[in-house]
Amino acid sequence: SQQGEEDPQALSIQEGENATMNCSYKTSINNLQWYRQNSGRGLVHLILIRSNEREKHSGRLRVTLDTSKKSSSLLITASRAADTASYFCATERANSKLTFGKGITLSVRP
Amino acid sequence: NAGVTQTPKFQVLKTGQSMTLQCAQDMNHNSMYWYRQDPGMGLRLIYYSASEGTTDKGEVPNGYNVSRLNKREFSLRLESAAPSQTSVYFCASTWDREGYTFGSGTRLTVV
Repeated sequence: SQQGEEDPQALSIQEGENATMNCSYKTSINNLQWYRQNSGRGLVHLILIRSNEREKHSGRLRVTLDTSKKSSSLLITASRAADTASYFCATERANSKLTFGKGITLSVRP
Repeated sequence: NAGVTQTPKFQVLKTGQSMTLQCAQDMNHNSMYWYRQDPGMGLRLIYYSASEGTTDKGEVPNGYNVSRLNKREFSLRLESAAPSQTSVYFCASTWDREGYTFGSGTRLTVV
């Protein structure tokens, strides 16, 4: 079964707005990763946060991790039409398996 | 360009036929993985290979076999395809499990 569950399932925003996506998981993890998938393509790694980190930034991306609540959020600031894609959180546990959630569909309207 | 290469990109099989999906990476990564992606299900791990010479079952291994041919190549075999195996298959690799590189996928239809 999926370790991570993203919320919401779908998100539609206007270009220039911020997009916030959430992920919850069930068991202890080594790290949590976010990926993007454009329609018909493979997944692309966006950012990784380790279990001992609370916040990380990469360009317009900001990810937070709350291990006490077993949750993470991905913030995309100043969204662009090119950010339209599916976003997945994935958790990595000690037994080397990266487990994905079902994904969030983000639509950014021009 | 460096990355993960999957072949074929598309395939249609008849029920009961066999086929092998090929995956190769040129990044000297130790670990390689096979996932399947179905609508509404996200990605589910089929098999993985933590290092050359080792393979382990993932979440949905039934109906599949794998071979880690060498450090570069990790193949996925369907011995007797079933309609339930219609899916998009992704191969991925990583050096240190901190960021996986995915191939572009194989779209498989079993009729």
